[in-house]
Amino acid sequence: DQQVKQNSPSLSVQEGRISILNCDYTNSMFDYFLWYKKYPAEGPTFLISISSIKDKNEDGRFTVFLNKSAKHLSLHIVPSQPGDSAVYFCAASAIVGGGADGLTFGKGTHLIIQP
Amino acid sequence: EAGVAQSPRYKIIEKRQSVAFWCNPISGHATLYWYQQILGQGPKLLIQFQNNGVVDDSQLPKDRFSAERLKGVDSTLKIQPAKLEDSAVYLCASTSLAGGWNEQFFGPGTRLTVL
Repeated sequence: DQQVKQNSPSLSVQEGRISILNCDYTNSMFDYFLWYKKYPAEGPTFLISISSIKDKNEDGRFTVFLNKSAKHLSLHIVPSQPGDSAVYFCAASAIVGGGADGLTFGKGTHLIIQP
Repeated sequence: EAGVAQSPRYKIIEKRQSVAFWCNPISGHATLYWYQQILGQGPKLLIQFQNNGVVDDSQLPKDRFSAERLKGVDSTLKIQPAKLEDSAVYLCASTSLAGGWNEQFFGPGTRLTVL
């Protein structure tokens, strides 16, 4: 049973427009959420994160929104640039007693930025 | 700051052979993780170490997989004997849990092909 779901395997967006990537989760114990970006033949690179005590976190062109009641988060990239073309993974974790579980990942969304 | 190092980058073996992967985490990171990423899937946690102790190995197929982190720094992951379904990218990640946030830093991975 997938606890983190990314239902769009791919997304094509025109350069300069907004890219919106979605993620749903089922485990109520998750309280920390991350987005990773992955280029071919490289490991995932941390992009942005959000704690469950917040509903929005912004870093430059990247904003993550969290809707706890709907168990849904989204990553907004604006404006989209050609270098943003990559696979984006949504991941979730639970912080327990000062430690941290391993991350639970979705299957990823391949974002393609069209010139 | 040097990133997470992994070797080898690629490995091809025949089924029933043995293989080992090595990981050197970011200096000072006490927590180390091994993930398995099968093509088309997100990374899946295999094992988590805190210093040289195992925190979580619930998803590690212990009949054929083993891992150690003897001195609390470098780690090795071994598969013996390998099966066709072990073909995947094996990712190592580390975190310092600074501030309690579980931002994990990933190495480039080892791509294993079992023939």
